Amino acid sequence: EVQLLESGGGLVQAGGPLRLSCAASGLTFNNHGMSWVRQAPGKGLDWVAEISGSGGTTYYADSVKGRFTISRDNSKNTLHLQMNSLRAEDTALYYCAKGNIYDWRVFDVWGQGTTVTVSS
Amino acid sequence: SVLTQPPSASGTPGQRVTISCSGSSSNIGSNTVNWYQQLPGTAPKLLIYNNNQRPSGVPDRFSGSKSGTSASLAIGGLQSEDEADYYCSAWDDSLNGPVFGGGTKVTVL
Repeated sequence: EVQLLESGGGLVQAGGPLRLSCAASGLTFNNHGMSWVRQAPGKGLDWVAEISGSGGTTYYADSVKGRFTISRDNSKNTLHLQMNSLRAEDTALYYCAKGNIYDWRVFDVWGQGTTVTVSS
Repeated sequence: SVLTQPPSASGTPGQRVTISCSGSSSNIGSNTVNWYQQLPGTAPKLLIYNNNQRPSGVPDRFSGSKSGTSASLAIGGLQSEDEADYYCSAWDDSLNGPVFGGGTKVTVL
């Protein structure tokens, strides 16, 4: 069974950094594109970033481009999201999501999420 | 949200409920649609992919369709455990990323 476990969330001041991690198990990790998707309190889903299986290609939502960096360590089956210059509007539950092997844009497994709160 | 969904839908047990998802030529009009179910207090779960395909384990009372720049999710034979938020999603060629609808809360009366 594929499992994704996020960590690293917490309370941070506006302008500060935070690094999220997602530990994956039960899959051949480097076969899958991986994404971060967030959900602000009481709101809908909002895709943040994606990284290809090899780590060579990344995509970002315009709202985080230049501030967030997605990366992965395939030797440790771990996904990361480095978040800098955090804003109040980045407050959300951040999910790690596995891309389908045929189409990374299909998120077929989700973690339980880690909460990021940015105080202004 | 880039994709438009009704905020709520409801039905009695056994009824059929349909949720719409409206987009544009840059997303639904040129790409496939996926649907996610989010039960209260839990992470989203893939419900429908590639417009109308069900992952293993998803009951066949859930079905998806797409026409032009719109898509819909149908829940046939509504059950109490179907109370959840439902989100549509599609790749957007202009934004160069996946976009989601605002979500539809389904209530079983």
